[in-house]
Amino acid sequence: GAGVSQSPSNKVTEKGKDVELRCDPISGHTALYWYRQRLGQGLEFLIYFQGNSAPDKSGLPSDRFSAERTGESVSTLTIQRTQQEDSAVYLCASSLSQGPNNEQFFGPGTRLTVL
Amino acid sequence: AQSVTQLGSHVSVSEGALVLLRCNYSSSVPPYLFWYVQYPNQGLQLLLKYTSAATLVKGINGFEAEFKKSETSFHLTKPSAHMSDAAEYFCAVSASGYSTLTFGKGTMLLVSP
Repeated sequence: GAGVSQSPSNKVTEKGKDVELRCDPISGHTALYWYRQRLGQGLEFLIYFQGNSAPDKSGLPSDRFSAERTGESVSTLTIQRTQQEDSAVYLCASSLSQGPNNEQFFGPGTRLTVL
Repeated sequence: AQSVTQLGSHVSVSEGALVLLRCNYSSSVPPYLFWYVQYPNQGLQLLLKYTSAATLVKGINGFEAEFKKSETSFHLTKPSAHMSDAAEYFCAVSASGYSTLTFGKGTMLLVSP
């Protein structure tokens, strides 16, 4: 079956520009997560959506970062006024429900390069 | 709060040799522990997880990990490495009541013929 998909796979942008990254979770998965993977680092949690509940935004590094989710489907992560330190692979994951016992399925990521 | 430490950013083994990737965690509550593998240009794939049942957990591709509470460890092993095991491996922790994962920095496994 279809897994988690992300687009674009690669994005190169100039410092100061805004970017939008898209995630299509597995159909029926109510939980959706965004993580960031900087070079040589582990994955950092950014934001978590669960159904119609208010998202957990505790991992967003600054107010330049925001994310939305339409119901239980597509999510977009927006980075405004990009900085060079935003360069990273942005990974999206989804799971059937909330809770640590539910496996998170990861997409292939979007590699963002800020020049 | 949880944290994960993976010892060694790179581990090199010969084909057929034992694979041992180390992971130590800290958690203020009983943890759930995970190992993920990331092949080049692919997303992360779950290898195995510990959820307070058996302390020795068997995963895919012949990998297993043992939860040792006294050592706060969850090391990943495989008796005999294959060339196809070359990838980056991430240990992660979560806690009851939390859905998000805290990851280690990853260990790149290199397998030589």
